[in-house]
Amino acid sequence: AQKVTQAQTEISVVEKEDVTLDCVYETRDTTYYLFWYKQPPSGELVFLIRRNSFDEQNEISGRYSWNFQKSTSSFNFTITASQVVDSAVYFCALTADTNAGKSTFGDGTTLTVKP
Amino acid sequence: EAEVAQSPRYKITEKSQAVAFWCDPISGHATLYWYRQILGQGPELLVQFQDESVVDDSQLPKDRFSAERLKGVDSTLKIQPAELGDSAMYLCASSRDRGKSGELFFGEGSRLTVL
Repeated sequence: AQKVTQAQTEISVVEKEDVTLDCVYETRDTTYYLFWYKQPPSGELVFLIRRNSFDEQNEISGRYSWNFQKSTSSFNFTITASQVVDSAVYFCALTADTNAGKSTFGDGTTLTVKP
Repeated sequence: EAEVAQSPRYKITEKSQAVAFWCDPISGHATLYWYRQILGQGPELLVQFQDESVVDDSQLPKDRFSAERLKGVDSTLKIQPAELGDSAMYLCASSRDRGKSGELFFGEGSRLTVL
């Protein structure tokens, strides 16, 4: 069975602060993929990043960075110098190769960035 | 940019009535998913299609829910009869990868309220 835990239900920061969203996952598969999606108030989930289980290299994309650590089964997401437009619900998701594309989502973290 | 189209955006119905949701995935995407998202939770997979075939419907309440993708393109999700607990956002997503763990492209969702 797969499980994704996002322990932080809500986070509130002031603009320009850095913020880290935590994601812990459980799977018995050795080949799996981790994702982050953003859901703005409009409702449409938008893909941010995918990492596979064999690639622990951290990634940076502009103000976004991701820290993947297999040893702690975590895939954390950091936003540097947050902006009001970053306010949204962020979901971490897990897909195992044996599940043929079926993604298991966490319950999301609601990020509010105040001006 | 190509998008996943869903309709209706909002649906209010009384319990015991029938409702239907429609989804048109991005052209060329062989895999289509229907997810249900209850307020405050992450999306939960209801059914997954590969072309016109059902790959996974293990979480679909088959006594009242049905889904079809007759020509392997657009899809319809039906609920009959609707119950109060069915109130949720119904999300359609598609993926270009066949049975692999590619990123999902989501529509804006159909929000159902059952009175």
